[in-house]
Amino acid sequence: KQEVTQIPAALSVPEGENLVLNCSFTDSAIYNLQWFRQDPGKGLTSLLLIQSSQREQTSGRLNASLDKSSGRSTLYIAASQPGDSATYLCAVSNQAGTALIFGKGTTLSVSS
Amino acid sequence: DAGVTQSPTHLIKTRGQQVTLRCSPKSGHDTVSWYQQALGQGPQFIFQYYEEEERQRGNFPDRFSGHQFPNYSSELNVNALLLGDSALYLCASSASSGTSLYNEQFFGPGTRLTVL
Repeated sequence: KQEVTQIPAALSVPEGENLVLNCSFTDSAIYNLQWFRQDPGKGLTSLLLIQSSQREQTSGRLNASLDKSSGRSTLYIAASQPGDSATYLCAVSNQAGTALIFGKGTTLSVSS
Repeated sequence: DAGVTQSPTHLIKTRGQQVTLRCSPKSGHDTVSWYQQALGQGPQFIFQYYEEEERQRGNFPDRFSGHQFPNYSSELNVNALLLGDSALYLCASSASSGTSLYNEQFFGPGTRLTVL
């Protein structure tokens, strides 16, 4: 059974700092991995999707990497801003078009 | 593009009642998935609908049922509500094939259900 773990559960950093969020999964046979952002009480916003054949994806200040063999992904946020404060969720899909399996998320707080 | 829409935004029910939540997928998407998110937890998969059929189901009791309409919109029904059903219910849509999006799922804003 696929399980997704995110560490740390919470993180507080000053504005401008670069940071890394971690995601691990127990079954390396994934189809893809998505990183989401969730503001309090809101829905999920897709940040980056990495196919199983890819090593990384970049969007603006965000960079996500994937190491299938070790069952790990990282989300790198450069030059953090207070507006980046949110919960970041990692999710994997084991087959095309099937259910996403989520971690519990990392709640990020960026202070000005 | 309106994206994924859900209604209602908030709902308050009492134990034993029944509830129906609605979802309209993103334009061009034909697959709808439903997730339940309890406070402080990641979303849990309930089921997925494609071509008006339930294609995949998570570990939820039969009290949770759904439907997909010919226009790809979907409903989630929950019968005999329990206090533990209080959660944020999220709908996600995706395209089944023919895109470069690799089945990327897009989420709606959610429906907050409170059971008293």
